[in-house]
Amino acid sequence: NAGVTQTPKFQVLKTGQSMTLQCAQDMNHEYMSWYRQDPGMGLRLIHYSVGAGITDQGEVPNGYNVSRSTTEDFPLRLLSAAPSQTSVYFCAARGGFSGANVLTFGAGSRLTVL
Amino acid sequence: QKEVEQDPGPLSVPEGAIVSLNCTYSNSAFQYFMWYRQYSRKGPELLMYTYSSGNKEDGRFTAQVDKSSKYISLFIRDSQPSDSATYLCAMSETGNQFYFGTGTSLTVIP
Repeated sequence: NAGVTQTPKFQVLKTGQSMTLQCAQDMNHEYMSWYRQDPGMGLRLIHYSVGAGITDQGEVPNGYNVSRSTTEDFPLRLLSAAPSQTSVYFCAARGGFSGANVLTFGAGSRLTVL
Repeated sequence: QKEVEQDPGPLSVPEGAIVSLNCTYSNSAFQYFMWYRQYSRKGPELLMYTYSSGNKEDGRFTAQVDKSSKYISLFIRDSQPSDSATYLCAMSETGNQFYFGTGTSLTVIP
């Protein structure tokens, strides 16, 4: 039981390049989400999904796209990377604690945009 | 005003000390409260979960929620060097959007 798996762990991009951060979970949780973590800012919600085909914006959605075609996967797309998107990205699924409303996080993807 | 405020520290204590970590919040509708521990370059891991008000104890850890004051606390008894990490408070109204504090960095000195 791997929980939440994120790939890649590290990525360096040039300004304007595009990429997709992958997130997969094997816990059969309906809810998945993406956060970015920046020094002094804490974790901020980018997008979330309450089930396949349903996504919604969080606190900082600009510059990011998501889709949810399966329960297991929730990829985060950067269409045209900017230096302001340099951050550590965490994917999280809700559940895993007797059904309580808590998040289980992946190990993170560290992105640098030059 | 941020939804959740947390003193970033850093906090440094000797081994065996009692540690108190706190967060305040502005949204009175929050009803799910969590504490996460995050080691350097790792993902946050759930430490404590509380629904609504009250206290919860798990081993050396106690979580308290005071909804009237919009204040939550985490106490760590008999702190150990392995407790050295960043502690994040988090809360949610419906379980769809979670709001996190900026984290408090704790170092327990042997």
